Amino acid sequence: GAGVSQSPSNKVTEKGKDVELRCDPISGHTALYWYRQSLGQGLEFLIYFQGNSAPDKSGLPSDRFSAERTGGSVSTLTIQRTQQEDSAVYLCASSLTRVSYNEQFFGPGTRLTVL
Amino acid sequence: QKEVEQDPGPLSVPEGAIVSLNCTYSNSAFQYFMWYRQYSRKGPELLMYTYSSGNKEDGRFTAQVDKSSKYISLFIRDSQPSDSATYLCAMSVLRGNTPLVFGKGTRLSVIA
Repeated sequence: GAGVSQSPSNKVTEKGKDVELRCDPISGHTALYWYRQSLGQGLEFLIYFQGNSAPDKSGLPSDRFSAERTGGSVSTLTIQRTQQEDSAVYLCASSLTRVSYNEQFFGPGTRLTVL
Repeated sequence: QKEVEQDPGPLSVPEGAIVSLNCTYSNSAFQYFMWYRQYSRKGPELLMYTYSSGNKEDGRFTAQVDKSSKYISLFIRDSQPSDSATYLCAMSVLRGNTPLVFGKGTRLSVIA
């Protein structure tokens, strides 16, 4: 089956505009994660979904960031009033709810550039 | 101090060399340790997984965890140009679905 897909692959926006990033997880994966990868910073956790609920939003950097997941599948990460420091690669990962280890499968990411 | 420290490199080695990559961490509660490989413009992919202390081998790759020193390593034997990528260590406290804490990644180049 298909892996995790993300769209768009690249997004260039102007400072102050809102952007929406989409993630389609692997079919049947109940857990979904958003991470941000900035130059020199590694992957930083943003938010985690189990089904449609988000038990852990601790990584969202400000209230300009929000995310939702519908139907236990597709997720959208929204950044309002974008700032230049929001420029990064936004990665989505999904995993099965299982008793063994937590293997997360990553999408290719959305590269966001805020001018 | 970040929870997980990893030298970003870059590291450049000749083909056939043994490569040693490592991470240190500060949270003694971490029990699950992973190495991800990330090619340019791609998402990370899981390479190795280890629970608690010990060694794990998979082909040319060996992962080591020393919880007493809070130190994990990945060794690549007979390195190939196709191993050129960024290697990220990741770890978690819990076994189940939980966010991973990543190192910054080490960029490796294997020169033919």
